[in-house]
Amino acid sequence: GENVEQHPSTLSVQEGDSAVIKCTYSDSASNYFPWYKQELGKRPQLIIDIRSNVGEKKDQRIAVTLNKTAKHFSLHITETQPEDSAVYFCAASIIGGGGADGLTFGKGTHLIIQP
Amino acid sequence: DAGVTQSPTHLIKTRGQHVTLRCSPISGHKSVSWYQQVLGQGPQFIFQYYEKEERGRGNFPDRFSARQFPNYSSELNVNALLLGDSALYLCASSLDAYSSDTQYFGPGTRLTVL
Repeated sequence: GENVEQHPSTLSVQEGDSAVIKCTYSDSASNYFPWYKQELGKRPQLIIDIRSNVGEKKDQRIAVTLNKTAKHFSLHITETQPEDSAVYFCAASIIGGGGADGLTFGKGTHLIIQP
Repeated sequence: DAGVTQSPTHLIKTRGQHVTLRCSPISGHKSVSWYQQVLGQGPQFIFQYYEKEERGRGNFPDRFSARQFPNYSSELNVNALLLGDSALYLCASSLDAYSSDTQYFGPGTRLTVL
């Protein structure tokens, strides 16, 4: 089955700086890669996703890049703000293949924005 | 516009007991997936249901079972509870089961097994 590795486990950045979180996946058939933000005690919230026919996607201060050849994808947050502090999870799955194996998640990155 | 709802919010059980968790998907969504999130880890896939049928199953023992009702709500059942079953159980809803994309999570049920 799919295996998703996520790094770093903890990331501390100064407010206003950029943050980058990286994930690798093992199953070359995976074609959907969402990122979720989870604040303490709350539900995971989808912040951005990318499909394998796209190399990069941007939404305001958040961007995701995908390298299918290397089987890795990254989350980029620019101009970080205190409210960006949370745990971020990457995930991978296969869509449209007829199966239903669910999302395979990484172990999460605790992002800390220092004032 | 209601999102995914789950009940109960918190639950405390003892080893060997049985538990039932409930989930209502977003209106119009026909697929429900269940995940287990142990503290400090990412969610782990348990089941996906669509149109009352199981469409996918993760690597969980047979003590875990689920079902989906005609109104697309779902129940997750866990028998013979173990201490290791203590976790946040998340339900996610999506439009259909032909794709696992765009899953929206509920607030979860925090299960503590003593």
